Amino acid sequence: GESVGLHLPTLSVQEGDNSIINCAYSNSASDYFIWYKQESGKGPQFIIDIRSNMDKRQGQRVTVLLNKTVKHLSLQIAATQPGDSAVYFCAETSSNTGNQFYFGTGTSLTVIP
Amino acid sequence: EPEVTQTPSHQVTQMGQEVILRCVPISNHLYFYWYRQILGQKVEFLVSFYNNEISEKSEIFDDQFSVERPDGSNFTLKIRSTKLEDSAMYFCASSEGEGYTFGSGTRLTVV
Repeated sequence: GESVGLHLPTLSVQEGDNSIINCAYSNSASDYFIWYKQESGKGPQFIIDIRSNMDKRQGQRVTVLLNKTVKHLSLQIAATQPGDSAVYFCAETSSNTGNQFYFGTGTSLTVIP
Repeated sequence: EPEVTQTPSHQVTQMGQEVILRCVPISNHLYFYWYRQILGQKVEFLVSFYNNEISEKSEIFDDQFSVERPDGSNFTLKIRSTKLEDSAMYFCASSEGEGYTFGSGTRLTVV
């Protein structure tokens, strides 16, 4: 079956520092990836996505890096703020799984003021 | 910004009862989904719905579950004869074809 997992279950960073959250996936056919943020009591919130024909994509304060060779992606958050404290999930899908996304277990990011 | 709306936010039901979870997807979206998240666990796919029929479903989505789009705006998940292990957050999502927009979820507690 599919396997999408996160290297670290928790991450604590000082406010203003950069955060890096990692994710590994096992399906080499995965061609679309999304990072979601989930705050307590809320649904997953889209942060940034990337297709397999790219290795880097930047948004506002966030960058996603994709390494297809080792089936790894990361989310970098610049100048982390207290409002960034949440659980972050990577999710992947591939053409052979239709529109179904497979989610990782999540990394809990805590920003220390 | 358009939102996916779910009601109720919290539902408590007795084991064996039927529940209906309701969702109003974003109006111009064509694809609809239900996911669930058991407390402390990952978000799991249940079912996808397109063109008024189920397009995919997971092993979790057995005969106990059904989905319906009864009118042009609502998308419902029905769970017949609920079990204790059905207690979870249930998220509805919709999309135009790629990235999803999730609702805030319904917390279902089966007692």
